[in-house]
Amino acid sequence: AQSVTQLDSQVPVFEEAPVELRCNYSSSVSVYLFWYVQYPNQGLQLLLKYLSGSTLVKGINGFEAEFNKSQTSFHLRKPSVHISDTAEYFCAVSEPGYSTLTFGKGTMLLVSP
Amino acid sequence: GAGVSQSPRYKVAKRGQDVALRCDPISGHVSLFWYQQALGQGPEFLTYFQNEAQLDKSGLPSDRFFAERPEGSVSTLKIQRTQQEDSAVYLCASRRTEDREDTIYFGEGSWLTVV
Repeated sequence: AQSVTQLDSQVPVFEEAPVELRCNYSSSVSVYLFWYVQYPNQGLQLLLKYLSGSTLVKGINGFEAEFNKSQTSFHLRKPSVHISDTAEYFCAVSEPGYSTLTFGKGTMLLVSP
Repeated sequence: GAGVSQSPRYKVAKRGQDVALRCDPISGHVSLFWYQQALGQGPEFLTYFQNEAQLDKSGLPSDRFFAERPEGSVSTLKIQRTQQEDSAVYLCASRRTEDREDTIYFGEGSWLTVV
């Protein structure tokens, strides 16, 4: 069975500082990996996804993530955050044989001035 | 439509009441999903449709939960005899094909509070 662990429930950071949100997954087969963002009272919006190829994936709003197969990780990074990046971020995995995505519990990114 | 549309956005139900939540997926999208998101948690899979066929309902928590998509477009999630533990946001999502590589697009959710 596939599972996703987001190690931090909350990450406070100052505006213009860099940030890394951590995600680890458990699967022994080839997986697809996703990061979604959820703003208050809204649905989930896709930030980026890894299907194959280059392990560094660039997404919207200046975010990027790196797939590391040996460490089964897919950490999300941004070099300089804005107040508007304050939101909940979810890592998700899609595995062969499963209909849909399995999500982590989420990491709340809190950006303060 | 432009995105996945859900109604009602907010619903307060008395314990024991039946509720129905509607989802309008993006036009032409083959795959449709329902998720349940409890407060402070990530979305959890409930059920999956490919056109009108319900191919996976392994995430439905009990037989009080029922979903349908009779014409392969609009879907309804029905919860009978609601309980307090059913309080959550119910997210509908759609995908253009059945291909796992395709992006899944989410609606804004239906917030259900059972009192």
